[in-house]
Amino acid sequence: GNSVTQMEGPVTLSEEAFLTINCTYTATGYPSLFWYVQYPGEGLQLLLKATKADDKGSNKGFEATYRKETTSFHLEKGSVQVSDSAVYFCALSDQGTGRRALTFGSGTRLQVQP
Amino acid sequence: NAGVTQTPKFQVLKTGQSMTLQCAQDMNHNSMYWYRQDPGMGLRLIYYSASEGTTDKGEVPNGYNVSRLNKREFSLRLESAAPSQTSVYFCASSEGGFQPQHFGDGTRLSIL
Repeated sequence: GNSVTQMEGPVTLSEEAFLTINCTYTATGYPSLFWYVQYPGEGLQLLLKATKADDKGSNKGFEATYRKETTSFHLEKGSVQVSDSAVYFCALSDQGTGRRALTFGSGTRLQVQP
Repeated sequence: NAGVTQTPKFQVLKTGQSMTLQCAQDMNHNSMYWYRQDPGMGLRLIYYSASEGTTDKGEVPNGYNVSRLNKREFSLRLESAAPSQTSVYFCASSEGGFQPQHFGDGTRLSIL
């Protein structure tokens, strides 16, 4: 079956540090990949997505590249801010299997200190 | 600019009680979803509605029912609540497909 594995948190960084949150996946078909962000007390928001190998999704300074050879979709940001503190979820949809559901990772909490 | 609105935000139930979680979106989206979020786990899809009048089961539908009342509203009902249904419930919507774009702020449900 499909699965998504994320690095365990919390990840604690100082403001302006470089961020990487690792995400790897297993899928039976040809998945699309997503990153969602959940700010404290709120629902998830779609942050970025990539639909095929070598695609790069980007939004709000965050980037992730779909790497089929390593089955990875790591989230990066060059300079984090305190306002980026949140929980980040990696997810996949495997349209090839026809499943009408995203498979989510367990989330990685990011804490950015001033 | 409300987006996706869920009510209530918090609820405590006793085992065996029933209740309905309400969700409404004002973005004219076709697809709506109900997810549950449990500690240390990602979100899991309970039910999905591709359009008004249609609903489909997700990964964890047992113990739940849904109604897509109209294009705006999608409710989730627990007929006989069980402690295993203690969770945070999120409603979401999207223009189409099955990739949610906008989530509500969640309903924290505790069942004693």
